[in-house]
Amino acid sequence: GQNIDQPTEMTATEGAIVQINCTYQTSGFNGLFWYQQHAGEAPTFLSYNVLDGLEEKGRFSSFLSRSKGYSYLLLKELQMKDSASYLCAALDSNYQLIWGAGTKLIIKP
Amino acid sequence: DAEITQSPRHKITETGRQVTLACHQTWNHNNMFWYRQDLGHGLRLIHYSYGVQDTNKGEVSDGYSVSRSNTEDLPLTLESAASSQTSVYFCASSASESYNEQFFGPGTRLTVL
Repeated sequence: GQNIDQPTEMTATEGAIVQINCTYQTSGFNGLFWYQQHAGEAPTFLSYNVLDGLEEKGRFSSFLSRSKGYSYLLLKELQMKDSASYLCAALDSNYQLIWGAGTKLIIKP
Repeated sequence: DAEITQSPRHKITETGRQVTLACHQTWNHNNMFWYRQDLGHGLRLIHYSYGVQDTNKGEVSDGYSVSRSNTEDLPLTLESAASSQTSVYFCASSASESYNEQFFGPGTRLTVL
């Protein structure tokens, strides 16, 4: 079957760095997406990785290892507004997105 | 600015009633999707469309239907609402290439009593 695993909840301190991990098992693989979702709002796109390695976008970076079925989202210089759920989604061989349940990130002052 | 809108934003209905949720996008995207989001689950695909007159079933399509008569709209119909269909529903759209990001509407919170 197809499966995406990510931690349910994480807590971090304002100004710190946090890494949110995601492992995936899909029928074929055509890329890995990260989305951010604030409570009561729609998901918004953060990143897309299809090749191995690290992609950096300001305070956010996303890493992919295709051989390990593994990705992580790295958030630096955490701000209170980063409190949200972070959704990992893999694009399978049919180009359908398989979504994880999301990681709720709590930022403490 | 291009956008994707959903209506209504909140809906309360009774078991057995037919309900239609509207989705309208001005991105001129070919691809449109309907998801439901429940606590403890990821987004689950209900139906999707890759263009006018094209519709496809997703992972959880039982009890739902869609039609695509133009590029902008993909209404979702619950034929006979059930309490198990109480959820938050998101519509999304993307450009034709499969790796393109999906843009999401604000969601509709549906309660079936």
